[in-house]
Amino acid sequence: KAGVTQTPRYLIKTRGQQVTLSCSPISGHRSVSWYQQTPGQGLQFLFEYFSETQRNKGNFPGRFSGRQFSNSRSEMNVSTLELGDSALYLCASSLGFDTQYFGPGTRLTVL
Amino acid sequence: GIQVEQSPPDLILQEGANSTLRCNFSDSVNNLQWFHQNPWGQLINLFYIPSGTKQNGRLSATTVATERYSLLYISSSQTTDSGVYFCAVEQNTGGFKTIFGAGTRLFVKA
Repeated sequence: KAGVTQTPRYLIKTRGQQVTLSCSPISGHRSVSWYQQTPGQGLQFLFEYFSETQRNKGNFPGRFSGRQFSNSRSEMNVSTLELGDSALYLCASSLGFDTQYFGPGTRLTVL
Repeated sequence: GIQVEQSPPDLILQEGANSTLRCNFSDSVNNLQWFHQNPWGQLINLFYIPSGTKQNGRLSATTVATERYSLLYISSSQTTDSGVYFCAVEQNTGGFKTIFGAGTRLFVKA
């Protein structure tokens, strides 16, 4: 089975721009979660989608949003980028109730 | 919210040595996983272990849910074991709202 894929792998943006990241889960998995990893804050939960519905949300401002499509692929969007949004963004897929499998991540740099 | 503490924060081992990593959590959980993050950032599942003991080769893990801790044992360490080990927990939120510990950074010397 193919693993979780994320695109793009690297991205450079400037302050004020917006960005969209994509995650394709393992076939058959209906849950997709998104995480932000920074040296200062560590790994932080952003949100989780299950069958196209947001099931859980972390403590991030409204500039961070996401969605899930009927084929379980998910996108997350960050609007009005700030320097502090520079991070590794990881997505994870699951059947919905136990083990999560992570993708390789998208490294976002905001200049 | 729930707090997850990992110890030690850093660990340096000689190849072949054994080690124990600890994860303490402040409230009851219904899901606990251990991950290894390699130098390229990839998080790799090691164990899904909300309770009990599991073994996979040189690695084993034990979670004592009633006492709110989990241990990851690495035996006969190899240089490829280097990286950061994370403990991650879930409470009963009807889905995933994973809380990660700060990690243990392991370096294995040849």
